[in-house]
Amino acid sequence: DTGVSQNPRHKITKRGQNVTFRCDPISEHNRLYWYRQTLGQGPEFLTYFQNEAQLEKSRLLSDRFSAERPKGSFSTLEIQRTEQGDSAMYLCASGNTEAFFGQGTRLTVV
Amino acid sequence: GIQVEQSPPDLILQEGANSTLRCNFSDSVNNLQWFHQNPWGQLINLFYIPSGTKQNGRLSATTVATERYSLLYISSSQTTDSGVYFCAVASDSGYALNFGKGTSLLVTP
Repeated sequence: DTGVSQNPRHKITKRGQNVTFRCDPISEHNRLYWYRQTLGQGPEFLTYFQNEAQLEKSRLLSDRFSAERPKGSFSTLEIQRTEQGDSAMYLCASGNTEAFFGQGTRLTVV
Repeated sequence: GIQVEQSPPDLILQEGANSTLRCNFSDSVNNLQWFHQNPWGQLINLFYIPSGTKQNGRLSATTVATERYSLLYISSSQTTDSGVYFCAVASDSGYALNFGKGTSLLVTP
């Protein structure tokens, strides 16, 4: 499968714990995006990478969220000190012009 | 940031009917995509269409960039067309793809 791959698919964590999600983009895609989606809403932009450079970050993103894309390949999204409001589907996309989405990681904070 | 408005928010059709979904946006764009989100949450690419007209089977899309809107046409709808349709745009001044709130489509037998 050469699509965007996200792991894990599901994550249940206790409030206050840190979690990290991984995204493997389609090979040779320069652009990588992270989004968050809650029930009944459209995906909400979190951050954007062009190769290894993080060029845009949503003002809605708190300091508890951090993302990296070392060497312009895979990317990780870390959430520190999780809160119940962080429960959502986290989506990753990659592309050069057109963006393609992975299947997402569903996070539940209990 | 750029505003994206989709209409209608909800749509119920009988199988075989045609429909038109609309996406209005507030600024010049360098990227516009239509997606279908299936019941499992996967976003399926339908069209990459910052301008012009494209067709793919029963689906077609038109973007009139100068008037800041795009239309998605679904002809001879099938029950498998059910789901949420999203329009997403990126403005000339940014990188983020900004999503509308979607149109929730239900096609009944």
